[in-house]
Amino acid sequence: DADVTQTPRNRITKTGKRIMLECSQTKGHDRMYWYRQDPGLGLQLIYYSFDVKDINKGEISDGYSVSRQAQAKFSLSLESAIPNQTALYFCATSEGTSGSTHSRTQYFGPGTRLLVL
Amino acid sequence: SQELEQSPQSLIVQEGKNLTINCTSSKTLYGLYWYKQKYGEGLIFLMMLQKGGEEKSHEKITAKLDEKKQQSSLHITASQPSHAGIYLCGADGTGTASKLTFGTGTRLQVTL
Repeated sequence: DADVTQTPRNRITKTGKRIMLECSQTKGHDRMYWYRQDPGLGLQLIYYSFDVKDINKGEISDGYSVSRQAQAKFSLSLESAIPNQTALYFCATSEGTSGSTHSRTQYFGPGTRLLVL
Repeated sequence: SQELEQSPQSLIVQEGKNLTINCTSSKTLYGLYWYKQKYGEGLIFLMMLQKGGEEKSHEKITAKLDEKKQQSSLHITASQPSHAGIYLCGADGTGTASKLTFGTGTRLQVTL
């Protein structure tokens, strides 16, 4: 089974609708991240969470909100979807900030492809 | 803010040929991560470099970080169709690994 799972894998919605993307992990990591990927723009950080009570905005948080329901679950919501939020969304996790390579490395889920009409 | 530039943006090589992808940062890199992405899928972690002059290898892929810690290269020896995909570099510009900045990726195609 995959360590980081995202649901749904694909979603089509209409402008103005509220949608939620979910991420679950079995790695036991404290840190979780949400990114979006647009063609030619690389990955942009939306929100990140260092533990259940610590949530931080990333580069492009406007129009998005998040909820860290448990150590293993981090969901991303689009309160009122708009067409320019059409993108590939990734969840990632990392262990923490100790000096080891393994601890600092972010591990990614398979992505959710979102189309807003 | 830290900016990462990857070059080339895309690359087509014949199977068996060697290739190099570069990642250049506008600031000192405290950690440089290389990922591979199959088209439309998730990112797979390849290697992470931290020290100036560091070099790591995995199978036929070698990554290096220069002494000044502002540029990294990814070299593939004797490319195979399985190497095709998008290669992304990600930078830790703070030393805390709290946030990564990603390059725009290099799209690699390997022809038979």
